[in-house]
Amino acid sequence: DTEVTQTPKHLVMGMTNKKSLKCEQHMGHRAMYWYKQKAKKPPELMFVYSYEKLSINESVPSRFSPECPNSSLLNLHLHALQPEDSALYLCASSQGSGAPTYEQYFGPGTRLTVT
Amino acid sequence: AQSVTQLDSQVPVFEEAPVELRCNYSSSVSVYLFWYVQYPNQGLQLLLKYLSGSTLVESINGFEAEFNKSQTSFHLRKPSVHISDTAEYFCAVIISYNTDKLIFGTGTRLQVFP
Repeated sequence: DTEVTQTPKHLVMGMTNKKSLKCEQHMGHRAMYWYKQKAKKPPELMFVYSYEKLSINESVPSRFSPECPNSSLLNLHLHALQPEDSALYLCASSQGSGAPTYEQYFGPGTRLTVT
Repeated sequence: AQSVTQLDSQVPVFEEAPVELRCNYSSSVSVYLFWYVQYPNQGLQLLLKYLSGSTLVESINGFEAEFNKSQTSFHLRKPSVHISDTAEYFCAVIISYNTDKLIFGTGTRLQVFP
């Protein structure tokens, strides 16, 4: 199984809502990532978890809160978002971290619209 | 600062024609180079990568890329494209001292026409 799954596929939320994005992998990977991709733009790294510990936070606003409950699961909690946060949110995982040989496997993404 | 440049935002081409998607990078340190493909409404898939060794790398579906250190380039080529190659292609680098962070170029939309 070389699949990274993400739920939901689509999410529409108001600026006062609280919602969560979920990412799951069952490949035994120990590193997981969140990326944000605006329309017609490249993905931008947000967070990296390595062995369930947050290892990289790319200066992401606090209205985005990541969580890694276990090695297979990665959540992104959303609160008080702005319309400019509307984007495709991609999750990825890799066998390990700290070396370029660890290929990142991407999920299909969650398309978020903030109204 | 490190950056990746993909000069062509769109490349239209007819089926069975050759194609080259250009990628240049800027870095003062060693980099590792990747090409990812994104089909509509899907996540990214690794197409090929250069880490070390032979500067010419190939993928299983006929794409190849050559690392040229002097020109700081990693152009993607295919001698004969198919309709199914229509997708967005991203060049990306990993910097030697921050190997968890993929830095992507702006992408090239390859549109193959029958």
